[in-house]
Amino acid sequence: AQKVTQAQTEISVVEKEDVTLDCVYETRDTTYYLFWYKQPPSGELVFLIRRNSFDEQNEISGRYSWNFQKSTSSFNFTITASQVVDSAVYFCALGGYTGTASKLTFGTGTRLQVTL
Amino acid sequence: DTAVSQTPKYLVTQMGNDKSIKCEQNLGHDTMYWYKQDSKKFLKIMFSYNNKELIINETVPNRFSPKSPDKAHLNLHINSLELGDSAVYFCASSQENRAHSPLHFGNGTRLTVT
Repeated sequence: AQKVTQAQTEISVVEKEDVTLDCVYETRDTTYYLFWYKQPPSGELVFLIRRNSFDEQNEISGRYSWNFQKSTSSFNFTITASQVVDSAVYFCALGGYTGTASKLTFGTGTRLQVTL
Repeated sequence: DTAVSQTPKYLVTQMGNDKSIKCEQNLGHDTMYWYKQDSKKFLKIMFSYNNKELIINETVPNRFSPKSPDKAHLNLHINSLELGDSAVYFCASSQENRAHSPLHFGNGTRLTVT
């Protein structure tokens, strides 16, 4: 069975602080995919990034960076110099299969509140 | 212009009623999904269709019946609504039925059953 754990339910930071959102996953698959999604207060779900299990290179996109560590089954997300617009619920997700059907299993989300 | 659109955005109804939510995607994707987000924000898959064929039915009560008339549409009909059905329902699509395909979500339908 696949499982994603986001132990941090809620994080509050002041603008310009760096913040890391943790994600730990469990899977028996040798090939799998990890995702992060953002859900701002307006409610839509926005795809941020996908990572393959065979590519452990870290990725940076502007103020966002992702640290994938297979040895600890973690795929953490860091926001540098946070801004109020980063306030949202962030979901980590694991892509795999149920039989032959692809399926995305989500973590419970981390609510990030960035204040001035 | 909208990639995945679902209607209505809000749905308020009484227990026992039947209601439908419609979803359409203009991305040319093969696979479509329904996810339910509960009050604690937990997202759980309900159904998945690939080229109009049901491929995932995740122990959802049979009061919920999805229908895919073509691969661009996936509607959700709910019979005999119960209080516990109150949630946000998200439609999504992916390019193909592969684990690496990111999901593109609609804006959600907030269902409130009173």
